[in-house]
Amino acid sequence: DAKTTQPTSMDCAEGRAANLPCNHSTISGNEYVYWYRQIHSQGPQYIIHGLKNNETNEMASLIITEDRKSSTLILPHATLRDTAVYYCIVRVDSGSARQLTFGSGTQLTVLP
Amino acid sequence: KAGVTQTPRYLIKTRGQQVTLSCSPISGHRSVSWYQQTPGQGLQFLFEYFSETQRNKGNFPGRFSGRQFSNSRSEMNVSTLELGDSALYLCASSPGRSGTAYEQYFGPGTRLTVT
Repeated sequence: DAKTTQPTSMDCAEGRAANLPCNHSTISGNEYVYWYRQIHSQGPQYIIHGLKNNETNEMASLIITEDRKSSTLILPHATLRDTAVYYCIVRVDSGSARQLTFGSGTQLTVLP
Repeated sequence: KAGVTQTPRYLIKTRGQQVTLSCSPISGHRSVSWYQQTPGQGLQFLFEYFSETQRNKGNFPGRFSGRQFSNSRSEMNVSTLELGDSALYLCASSPGRSGTAYEQYFGPGTRLTVT
């Protein structure tokens, strides 16, 4: 699985968009970008994933650059409940393995 | 659908003892993965079970083992506990089919403290 680089921490004002970057310059053509988050003392929660097109769901949007070497997770209107560690993971989405390799993630703090 | 449940939620054991943790996956999910989370090492993959067979294994010593039952429920066992085994143990369930690697749903975890 490709290695990812994320900032250690970020702050965001409540109600504003939170933009969380992830660098994955060694990504392979068949590797997807996944985002999970972990709210303190809870298990990780799946947010969104994509291959090369931008994706949007009820939680967030995922913007992947054309060369696929980086991506940005966007929480359009951050709330205090979005305070969590956000993990960007790159891996293939085929085959049998379900193993996820979590890095250090980005601690997002939403400020009132 | 009910989510992933893990029991017990909290556990205190003494060094040298052994412990068994339980995980009930989401109904219909056949894959169960286990992770260990510590402040120093972060989230690390332990192993995955699918249809009662271990399908993938992380880099942990043989003291860590697991099994899966025919109803997909899973248990993990840690023998001869060490202080460093104190951690949050997370279970994740997934349909297990090819192309659904993103569909992993985590339980709340079991907080194990070894004294």
